[in-house]
Amino acid sequence: AQSVTQPDIHITVSEGASLELRCNYSYGATPYLFWYVQSPGQGLQLLLKYFSGDTLVQGIKGFEAEFKRSQSSFNLRKPSVHWSDAAEYFCAVGGNFGNEKLTFGTGTRLTIIP
Amino acid sequence: DTGVSQNPRHKITKRGQNVTFRCDPISEHNRLYWYRQTLGQGPEFLTYFQNEAQLEKSRLLSDRFSAERPKGSFSTLEIQRTEQGDSAMYLCASSWTVESYEQYFGPGTRLTVT
Repeated sequence: AQSVTQPDIHITVSEGASLELRCNYSYGATPYLFWYVQSPGQGLQLLLKYFSGDTLVQGIKGFEAEFKRSQSSFNLRKPSVHWSDAAEYFCAVGGNFGNEKLTFGTGTRLTIIP
Repeated sequence: DTGVSQNPRHKITKRGQNVTFRCDPISEHNRLYWYRQTLGQGPEFLTYFQNEAQLEKSRLLSDRFSAERPKGSFSTLEIQRTEQGDSAMYLCASSWTVESYEQYFGPGTRLTVT
């Protein structure tokens, strides 16, 4: 069975500081990995995805993520956060290039302090 | 491209009543997904369609739940004899298997069962 673990329920960082959100997955075949962001009252927006190839992927809003097969991890990073990055972040895993069901983690809520 | 739309955005109903939600996907998308999200959790997969065919249903989708996509365009999700445990955000997403490799999410329908 596929699963995703996001060990940090809530993270607080200062504006301008770097950020890393952790994600570990379990999947029996080739994993297709995603990070989504959800702001209050908004739908889920895709930040980035990993299918194959270069293990460091770039996304929107200055985010990047690194796939590490040996650690079954897909951590999200940003070198300098902005107040507008405050939101809920979800890691997800799926098959078939993401055109099948996605399994999401429980999310990490990011708070930005001035 | 107006994105995925869902109606209604909010629904309050009494226990035992039936409710129906509608999802209009992005027009060229052939796959449509339903997820449920409860407070503090990530979205959980319910079911998905390719065109009008329902390809997979989660065991979360009890016999009180039914989903249809009659003409391969919009979809409805009906919950019969609602229970308080059905209170959640119901999310719809769509994707295009030919090229896009991304599930685009709608804003969701928030159901409150009193």
